[in-house]
Amino acid sequence: KAGVTQTPRYLIKTRGQQVTLSCSPISGHRSVSWYQQTPGQGLQFLFEYFSETQRNKGNFPGRFSGRQFSNSRSEMNVSTLELGDSALYLCASSPDGNRETQYFGPGTRLLVL
Amino acid sequence: QKEVEQNSGPLSVPEGAIASLNCTYSDRGSQSFFWYRQYSGKSPELIMFIYSNGDKEDGRFTAQLNKASQYVSLLIRDSQPSDSATYLCASFGNQFYFGTGTSLTVIP
Repeated sequence: KAGVTQTPRYLIKTRGQQVTLSCSPISGHRSVSWYQQTPGQGLQFLFEYFSETQRNKGNFPGRFSGRQFSNSRSEMNVSTLELGDSALYLCASSPDGNRETQYFGPGTRLLVL
Repeated sequence: QKEVEQNSGPLSVPEGAIASLNCTYSDRGSQSFFWYRQYSGKSPELIMFIYSNGDKEDGRFTAQLNKASQYVSLLIRDSQPSDSATYLCASFGNQFYFGTGTSLTVIP
C-alpha cells in the first residue's frame, strides 16, 4: 500500500502571499490531520478532518485553514504568510482518527522570505 | 508553560545500555500518551502508546505512565546505534500536544 503523500515537498514564498499544501492519505484512510513543526515550538497540531468534516482544531490563527474532499485528500491553506510560518508541515492519515493507527507523510518544507 | 515538557538533551548512552526518556504533562484530562521516534530529516513514527497507569512493554521498549504525577517515560533496553534519533512525547485529551523532543545518541 502506498504511504501518505504530500505535495509539494519544498516551497518558497514571500511574506503576504498565500500557499496551498496537499495531502493524499493512505488508501482507505478517512482521517487526515495536519501539523506544523518548527525548531522553536516543536510539533503542533493544526486540525483534523474526518469524512470531509473538521473534527478538531489546534490553537492557530484563522489564516490557517483546511478542507477535505470526498476522496479523503486534504488541502491546507495559509493566507497572508508571515516569516514565522516557515516550517515543516506534516500531514498524517489514519483509518478512523485514532492516533494509534496514524501514519505521517514526508512533509512539505515551507520557507517564507 | 508548555502542555508537554521534555528534557531536550542531548542524551548519550553507550551501546547496550538502557536509555531513559522522560516527559511531564499539565492537562489532567489527558487520556492517552504516545512516544514517537523521529530520525533527522524524516517524519515522526509511532513507537509506543499507553493509556493506563503502569508499564507497557513492546520488545526493547517500555512505556511507563503515572497519572498522579503526570509523568510518562520511555525506556529503551539494549540501546543500538540505530536508536539514535529525537524522541517526541505526546498527550491527547481534548487536543493533541507534543513535547519538543529529546535527542538520543547511542555510542557504539
